[in-house]
Amino acid sequence: TQLLEQSPQFLSIQEGENLTVYCNSSSVFSSLQWYRQEPGEGPVLLVTVVTGGEVKKLKRLTFQFGDARKDSSLHITAAQPGDTGLYLCAGARGNKLVFGAGTILRVKS
Amino acid sequence: DAGVIQSPRHEVTEMGQEVTLRCKPISGHNSLFWYRQTMMRGLELLIYFNNNVPIDDSGMPEDRFSAKMPNASFSTLKIQPSEPRDSAVYFCASTPGRAGNTIYFGEGSWLTVV
Repeated sequence: TQLLEQSPQFLSIQEGENLTVYCNSSSVFSSLQWYRQEPGEGPVLLVTVVTGGEVKKLKRLTFQFGDARKDSSLHITAAQPGDTGLYLCAGARGNKLVFGAGTILRVKS
Repeated sequence: DAGVIQSPRHEVTEMGQEVTLRCKPISGHNSLFWYRQTMMRGLELLIYFNNNVPIDDSGMPEDRFSAKMPNASFSTLKIQPSEPRDSAVYFCASTPGRAGNTIYFGEGSWLTVV
């Protein structure tokens, strides 16, 4: 059983569409991070959210941390083929970072 | 600056053989992590070190797995004997501080045990 549940597992959309991926848990995290991983490479950090209710924007990406710090969402506006990849959320518990299973996103041109 | 450096990038070995994966963390980082990634289980933390000392190895699947960090610039993950179910991508990562900080991943070592 994953401590962090991500949904959907797979998403295939057309260029220009909007999308939201979710990261949910029954546990509270001191912080939550989103990573993006491309084939053949390691995950790369996109953002860290710390405060409940926090919203952070990174160009066309909007990240939100739930008020109770148990869940998070990533919204992409006007998706581009370059957004294709595996999106992973990770929650900090003490000195450890626990990862969700990820959402595979494919953006078709 | 060089990132986390892992070797080998790819390894194919026969069941029963010993496998040693190597990692050089980013200079100045005092925490090092070994993760394993598979389609079925995603990214799993195997073990992490802080200042070269193993802090939590609860993710190490079996006694066949062992990890060492003899100094601040080098770590190894060893599997002996290897089994087909060990096939996965093994990532090493480092961070300058607590896990809540940015973790920098290497490019991974792709292991196939046949």
